[in-house]
Amino acid sequence: GAVVSQHPSRVICKSGTSVKIECRSLDFQATTMFWYRQFPKQSLMLMATSNEGSKATYEQGVEKDKFLINHASLTLSTLTVTSAHPEDSSFYICSASASGGPYEQYFGPGTRLTVT
Amino acid sequence: GENVEQHPSTLSVQEGDSAVIKCTYSDSASNYFPWYKQELGKRPQLIIDIRSNVGEKKDQRIAVTLNKTAKHFSLHITETQPEDSAVYFCAASRAGGTSYGKLTFGQGTILTVHP
Repeated sequence: GAVVSQHPSRVICKSGTSVKIECRSLDFQATTMFWYRQFPKQSLMLMATSNEGSKATYEQGVEKDKFLINHASLTLSTLTVTSAHPEDSSFYICSASASGGPYEQYFGPGTRLTVT
Repeated sequence: GENVEQHPSTLSVQEGDSAVIKCTYSDSASNYFPWYKQELGKRPQLIIDIRSNVGEKKDQRIAVTLNKTAKHFSLHITETQPEDSAVYFCAASRAGGTSYGKLTFGQGTILTVHP
């Protein structure tokens, strides 16, 4: 149980275009979903927290107009990287929490974004 | 906000030896401390976690200890095997307020177990 999927697993896009990444909880309802970014040989940095039906809460330094997050249902959250640039190339990982509390988060497999 | 420091950044051991990774945290309200193992290009995998009402937890070759007073927690791996080689991350989170469930990660430790 507690499976989280992400799609796509890899994406290459041209500079200036937008890319949408989907995160789905397959066998549970995720009251809270989190989006992380991980650059090579670095730690996971939280970008934003989203609760179903409400606006996402962004971490300091993360541009909310550039990284659009939608959590329209209890099983789906999307991250759209708008007007992507090479410096946005990274590994994007989502996680989902069933309770929204300080308990286990279930991670998706990640999406490798390369902007050329 | 929470700040988690992790040491060492790299750790090299011989197969069969023990490995210890240490983390400190800054927010005394943090009450959940998971440890993750991440292989290259893959998702973090939870290997053990501990909540603030417990001082120690063990699962086969893996154990975690928590000292709330000193605000530090440690991962102990005994009888290491080559397949334990990976990057290990500690993390901390707390309930309540706007940080509910939010994980703050340490910088990571690259563990290499030599056969």
